[in-house]
Amino acid sequence: DTEVTQTPKHLVMGMTNKKSLKCEQHMGHRAMYWYKQKAKKPPELMFVYSYEKLSINESVPSRFSPECPNSSLLNLHLHALQPEDSALYLCASSLRDGQTDTQYFGPGTRLTVL
Amino acid sequence: AQSVTQLGSHVSVSEGALVLLRCNYSSSVPPYLFWYVQYPNQGLQLLLKYTSAATLVKGINGFEAEFKKSETSFHLTKPSAHMSDAAEYFCAVTGPNTNAGKSTFGDGTTLTVKP
Repeated sequence: DTEVTQTPKHLVMGMTNKKSLKCEQHMGHRAMYWYKQKAKKPPELMFVYSYEKLSINESVPSRFSPECPNSSLLNLHLHALQPEDSALYLCASSLRDGQTDTQYFGPGTRLTVL
Repeated sequence: AQSVTQLGSHVSVSEGALVLLRCNYSSSVPPYLFWYVQYPNQGLQLLLKYTSAATLVKGINGFEAEFKKSETSFHLTKPSAHMSDAAEYFCAVTGPNTNAGKSTFGDGTTLTVKP
């Protein structure tokens, strides 16, 4: 099983809502990532978890709150988002957080903030 | 610091023609280089990667890339384009003392395949 799943596929939320994105993998990977991708742009790294510990936070606003409950799950909690936060949010995982480790990406959650 | 430049934001080829997508890197240390493909409304998928072993790297779907240190290039090729190759392609670089999550991506190249 080389699949990373993400739910929901689409999400529309208002600026005062609280919602969560979920990511799951069962490949035994110990590194998991959140990326934000705007249309026609490369992915931008947001967070990296390595062995369930947050190892990188790329100065992401606090309205985005990651959580890694266990080695298979990664959540991204959203609160008080802005319209400019509308984007495709991609989750990825790799065996470890190494320079040559292959990242496996999920299909993404398309987020629209009204 | 490492960076990659993808020359040509849009490339159009006819079905059956050679595909050549260009990627040049800048790095003060030996780089590790990746090519990803992204189909519409999907995540990225690794096509191939260079990790300092063989300079000619073969990937999935008939793609290959050659690492040329003298030219600081890692161009992606496929001898014969198929309609299903139409997608966005990203070149990315990491290096020693960086981790996978700190890959630097190029701006991407949109490949269009004409019938």
